Amino acid sequence: GAVVSQHPSWVICKSGTSVKIECRSLDFQATTMFWYRQFPKQSLMLMATSNEGSKATYEQGVEKDKFLINHASLTLSTLTVTSAHPEDSSFYICSARLPNNEQFFGPGTRLTVL
Amino acid sequence: KQEVTQIPAALSVPEGENLVLNCSFTDSAIYNLQWFRQDPGKGLTSLLLIQSSQREQTSGRLNASLDKSSGRSTLYIAASQPGDSATYLCAVRYTSYDKVIFGPGTSLSVIP
Repeated sequence: GAVVSQHPSWVICKSGTSVKIECRSLDFQATTMFWYRQFPKQSLMLMATSNEGSKATYEQGVEKDKFLINHASLTLSTLTVTSAHPEDSSFYICSARLPNNEQFFGPGTRLTVL
Repeated sequence: KQEVTQIPAALSVPEGENLVLNCSFTDSAIYNLQWFRQDPGKGLTSLLLIQSSQREQTSGRLNASLDKSSGRSTLYIAASQPGDSATYLCAVRYTSYDKVIFGPGTSLSVIP
């Protein structure tokens, strides 16, 4: 199947700093990418939908100014956690949808904010 | 509101047993349903994808069924092995919502 990569796979940062997570579709062009968040022992919750060249659509309760999403190309979407705090520590997973509507998930990025 | 539920939340079985994991969804208008496996601290591994027009998919010891009318899917694992121990997530893409919604998962432990 298609491959979706994320970088970094894990990151530790100090409270108040910003962290950028990249999501790439390696062998296909993805018009739509999705960002999910998973807290310990919980399931994945959709944060936002990202369409290439347009503003992301955020789910209810997700702060768009805190979680900045950029989908500048058909193979790259970035999630920036601004002014991160310990409560933002989580597992962030991206997903990319092919033009034929198949959807593939990245390996995830574990963020720990100290 | 489209939701996905899974029962049981946790399951512990002795090695060799056949087992069934259940997934329920609230709207029969779905695009597809997918079963994933997640090991602790790791990402998702796709196990089986069932399209709306299909009733089941099989891969090795795994068999997933889909009954849209009742809003249910089951994941059958035959001859369970300790290596099957993981959390199993059911994910539904609803037609109207057009986004993948995950269930809470079933944590499986297979005891040697």
